[in-house]
Amino acid sequence: DAKTTQPTSMDCAEGRAANLPCNHSTISGNEYVYWYRQIHSQGPQYIIHGLKNNETNEMASLIITEDRKSSTLILPHATLRDTAVYYCIVRTYTGTASKLTFGTGTRLQVTL
Amino acid sequence: GAVVSQHPSRVICKSGTSVKIECRSLDFQATTMFWYRQFPKQSLMLMATSNEGSKATYEQGVEKDKFLINHASLTLSTLTVTSAHPEDSSFYICSAGGTAGGLRPSYEQYFGPGTRLTVT
Repeated sequence: DAKTTQPTSMDCAEGRAANLPCNHSTISGNEYVYWYRQIHSQGPQYIIHGLKNNETNEMASLIITEDRKSSTLILPHATLRDTAVYYCIVRTYTGTASKLTFGTGTRLQVTL
Repeated sequence: GAVVSQHPSRVICKSGTSVKIECRSLDFQATTMFWYRQFPKQSLMLMATSNEGSKATYEQGVEKDKFLINHASLTLSTLTVTSAHPEDSSFYICSAGGTAGGLRPSYEQYFGPGTRLTVT
C-alpha cells in the first residue's frame, strides 16, 4: 500500500505557483520522498527527491517539514504543460533500484 | 540522458493471441527493470521486477504464466501477454534502473513512454 496521502485534485492559474501537499506520517528515517508526474498517456517523469533538507532543481522545489511527516512540491510558475497527475512516493534507499509504490496522486489542472 | 523506449507504443490484438512488448534502455545498462500496468483513471500498479539473467519476481495477484517477462540483456526486457483477453487491455509501462557502470545513480529508475494494449 502507498504510504502517502495527497489531495485528489487541484487547480492553479497559469503563471502562479502550484503548491502540492503530501502527507507521509509513517515515513521511516531512511526513506526518501520522491515526486513524479505523469502527463496523460505518457510514462512517469521524475521531478525531485529529498530526505530531510529542502531541495530545488530546475523543475521544482521540495519543502519537507522538520518532523518529515509531510512535504510540499512547489512549481514556482505553473504553465499549461504542467497539467498532470503528481505522485508523491516514499522510498527506501537501498543502493540498488527498488520498486516504487504509486498512490492515487494529485491531478493538477493549470488554467489560463 | 537516461532514455527508455518501449515498442510498440500501441497495439491492438484479438482475444486469445499473444502480444510482446519490448522495453529498452537506450543510453545506459540496467540491471533491473520493472513492469507496471495502469488502467484508465487509476494509478500505476507494479506487476513484476526483473533482474538481468534471472527470473522475474511477480507481485501478488499477477499470473506469471500469463505475463511472461524476459530480461536477457542489460538493455532489453520483454513482457509477453499470453492468450490476451479484453480485461488485459491496459497501459503497460516499464522502468529501468540499477544501472551497471556509468555515471547515473544505481538506485534511480527511468520510465518508458508506455504501451497501450487493446484486446478486442
